[in-house]
Amino acid sequence: DGGITQSPKYLFRKEGQNVTLSCEQNLNHDAMYWYRQDPGQGLRLIYYSQIVNDFQKGDIAEGYSVSREKKESFPLTVTSAQKNPTAFYLCASSIEGSGGRLGTDTQYFGPGTRLTVL
Amino acid sequence: AQTVTQSQPEMSVQEAETVTLSCTYDTSESDYYLFWYKQPPSRQMILVIRQEAYKQQNATENRFSVNFQKAAKSFSLKISDSQLGDAAMYFCAYRTRKDNDMRFGAGTRLTVKP
Repeated sequence: DGGITQSPKYLFRKEGQNVTLSCEQNLNHDAMYWYRQDPGQGLRLIYYSQIVNDFQKGDIAEGYSVSREKKESFPLTVTSAQKNPTAFYLCASSIEGSGGRLGTDTQYFGPGTRLTVL
Repeated sequence: AQTVTQSQPEMSVQEAETVTLSCTYDTSESDYYLFWYKQPPSRQMILVIRQEAYKQQNATENRFSVNFQKAAKSFSLKISDSQLGDAAMYFCAYRTRKDNDMRFGAGTRLTVKP
């Protein structure tokens, strides 16, 4: 089955610790994204990557870091610098990034990771 | 900055009836896409329907259809023959062709009454 997987489903972190959230896709999509969702709010973009070894900051990148060493993987690290990390984190992918020739912009989402800081 | 507004925090509908969820957006772009996503209690975001701004015809997907009014910057979702499984949060989203960031509204919680 093709799709996007995120692990773990639930993650608990002590203050001052870095944690890494996993996102893997086997859809052969070029572009991948990380969003944060807080209660009663829509999604906000943290980071995105249009291609391997390249990524860009979104609206709320402070306190987060990413890497894109492989096409299918886009892990997100929540660092101790993130002031309020407790949230639901969603990873998404699309066939291509912005301005693509195909115009196939639809983003498909993984099941999410709930991060709680203790 | 582009913004997406969903003015109805909560809506309810009787099973088998029709409900319309509202969405307005603000943009100066002409080439963009609009989406409705459903987020059930599992919290996975599921694409419901997609509309390209250059297309005048309203998108439809089975029981789901949109009313896209480009001049008014309005993009409402109509759910016909509502089913219990339609109960979820619904998010309207906007994205330009040239940008990567997708803008989401705050969501509308839909309750379906048996």
